[in-house]
Amino acid sequence: QQQVKQSPQSLIVQKGGISIINCAYENTAFDYFPWYQQFPGKGPALLIAIRPDVSEKKEGRFTISFNKSAKQFSLHIMDSQPGDSATYFCAASMYGAGGSNYKLTFGKGTLLTVNP
Amino acid sequence: DAGITQSPRHKVTETGTPVTLRCHQTENHRYMYWYRQDPGHGLRLIHYSYGVKDTDKGEVSDGYSVSRSKTEDFLLTLESATSSQTSVYFCAISELPTSNEQFFGPGTRLTVL
Repeated sequence: QQQVKQSPQSLIVQKGGISIINCAYENTAFDYFPWYQQFPGKGPALLIAIRPDVSEKKEGRFTISFNKSAKQFSLHIMDSQPGDSATYFCAASMYGAGGSNYKLTFGKGTLLTVNP
Repeated sequence: DAGITQSPRHKVTETGTPVTLRCHQTENHRYMYWYRQDPGHGLRLIHYSYGVKDTDKGEVSDGYSVSRSKTEDFLLTLESATSSQTSVYFCAISELPTSNEQFFGPGTRLTVL
């Protein structure tokens, strides 16, 4: 059972355009939603994260929008640059959960290509 | 980069042979994880550890075992490697419950012939 569904699988955007990646989750106990960025040959790295007490979080050109009722969240990359070309993963978990119950569930990833 | 190293970085082995991958951290984080990454599947959790000698299964644990005898080291063992275990393996660490952020290592590319 895939608990976090991510779309699209791949995305091509022109330089300066807006990139939008969407994720939907099923488990209503999830309350922490990070996005990870991965460049070829590297491990993923945290890009930005949100908790459901806010509907939007912005860090520079990157924004997460969160819709709790729809159980959806999305990543927007404004003024996309060729250096943003990477694979992006959404994920979900229970915030601060410890012990044996903590697991971070990832979406399948989106390959973003920003053309110059 | 967080102080995480993985060894080896690349390995080619034959079906049926045992393989051990090592993850070493210098951050003294309590939680450690092993993931595998495959095209079309994203990152899938194999096993994780929430303390020395405290481990639990992830979603794709069959055929894998782990051990953690020290805070800084987390070993992943394939007792008898199969071609379906050809993948890129990532180790990650986090300091729950203080922070949910996971820091990933550089990965190990494993090919099972």
